[in-house]
Amino acid sequence: GQQVMQIPQYQHVQEGEDFTTYCNSSTTLSNIQWYKQRPGGHPVFLIQLVKSGEVKKQKRLTFQFGEAKKNSSLHITATQTTDVGTYFCAGLIYNQGGKLIFGQGTELSVKP
Amino acid sequence: KAGVTQTPRYLIKTRGQQVTLSCSPISGHRSVSWYQQTPGQGLQFLFEYFSETQRNKGNFPGRFSGRQFSNSRSEMNVSTLELGDSALYLCASSILPAQGLTDTQYFGPGTRLTVL
Repeated sequence: GQQVMQIPQYQHVQEGEDFTTYCNSSTTLSNIQWYKQRPGGHPVFLIQLVKSGEVKKQKRLTFQFGEAKKNSSLHITATQTTDVGTYFCAGLIYNQGGKLIFGQGTELSVKP
Repeated sequence: KAGVTQTPRYLIKTRGQQVTLSCSPISGHRSVSWYQQTPGQGLQFLFEYFSETQRNKGNFPGRFSGRQFSNSRSEMNVSTLELGDSALYLCASSILPAQGLTDTQYFGPGTRLTVL
């Protein structure tokens, strides 16, 4: 079935370094959502991208949606220890009846 | 507004038993989805309910079932538990499906199920 692949699975960075996680779908997505899950917590919605080529920023976080609406990325500039957690992308596949398919997540650890 | 609540938060069962998990969505949210989260498989979609009807279903065996009540509260049932059912079960609510598409998910804290 349709899948949303996310890489890398783990990323260890030094505080102050940048971080990027990538999301790829085998199918065109209606939109893509990003969530963050802190250790021991539950996923929390960050942002939703809908338009082809869309770019959105939230402080140090930059989200992009590919032109073909099959891929997306989340880039964090100058990571901080508060950025620690697992970042999930979730693609909405319209012809699947509006089903939201989550990527495997990228676990980010930040060394102070 | 109160967030999504799930009960119980922790549960220990043995193989072959059944379990019922409960989810109360955010007030005004009419769509409830259930997910299974395990270290190896990530977040797996179980099913979504809207207006007491199952709107979407993931690829899980029939042992997994759910329902939604008129007040939008939802329950999930797993019968004949297996060791592999040990996981964090997350419930998420959203306002309503816009244009047939699932909206932003607001997750509850989850129920940690351990099957011995």
